[in-house]
Amino acid sequence: AQSVTQLDSHVSVSEGTPVLLRCNYSSSYSPSLFWYVQHPNKGLQLLLKYTSAATLVKGINGFEAEFKKSETSFHLTKPSAHMSDAAEYFCVVRMDTGRRALTFGSGTRLQVQP
Amino acid sequence: EPEVTQTPSHQVTQMGQEVILRCVPISNHLYFYWYRQILGQKVEFLVSFYNNEISEKSEIFDDQFSVERPDGSNFTLKIRSTKLEDSAMYFCASSEYTQETQYFGPGTRLLVL
Repeated sequence: AQSVTQLDSHVSVSEGTPVLLRCNYSSSYSPSLFWYVQHPNKGLQLLLKYTSAATLVKGINGFEAEFKKSETSFHLTKPSAHMSDAAEYFCVVRMDTGRRALTFGSGTRLQVQP
Repeated sequence: EPEVTQTPSHQVTQMGQEVILRCVPISNHLYFYWYRQILGQKVEFLVSFYNNEISEKSEIFDDQFSVERPDGSNFTLKIRSTKLEDSAMYFCASSEYTQETQYFGPGTRLLVL
């Protein structure tokens, strides 16, 4: 079975400081991993995805994530937070077995203080 | 940029009533999905649909649920007899191919009274 654990339900940072949102996964097979963001009253927007190519993945809006197989982690980072980054972030896994269903983490709400 | 759209954005219904949630996937996409998020819980997969049939479903997707692609653009989720516990945000998604990125709509918030 596959699962995703987001280690922090809330993260608060100051504008201009780094962002770290933590995600650990478990999967019996080689996974595809995603980060989605949800702004209030908006849909789930894809930030970035890992699909067994480069382990450091660059996404939109300056976000990056690094796949670390030894640690089963896929943490999301950004060097400098912007007020517009305030949103809910979801770490998502899909097993590479032909199944289509995505498994979501519980989400991390990012607050950015001025 | 193409988007997945969903209607209505909010729906309130009485327990036992039927509801139909509508989605318009991205036009060249072939795979369609429904997920739901009960308040305070994780987003959960319900069903995937391809070539006019269900290709995968979760244990949540029981006989009270059905999906349909009634025409070339819409994709619907029907709940036959709503229960209080069906209150949730329902997300539609689509992808071009089976292992490609799933693009999500803004969701329909369903409240069952």
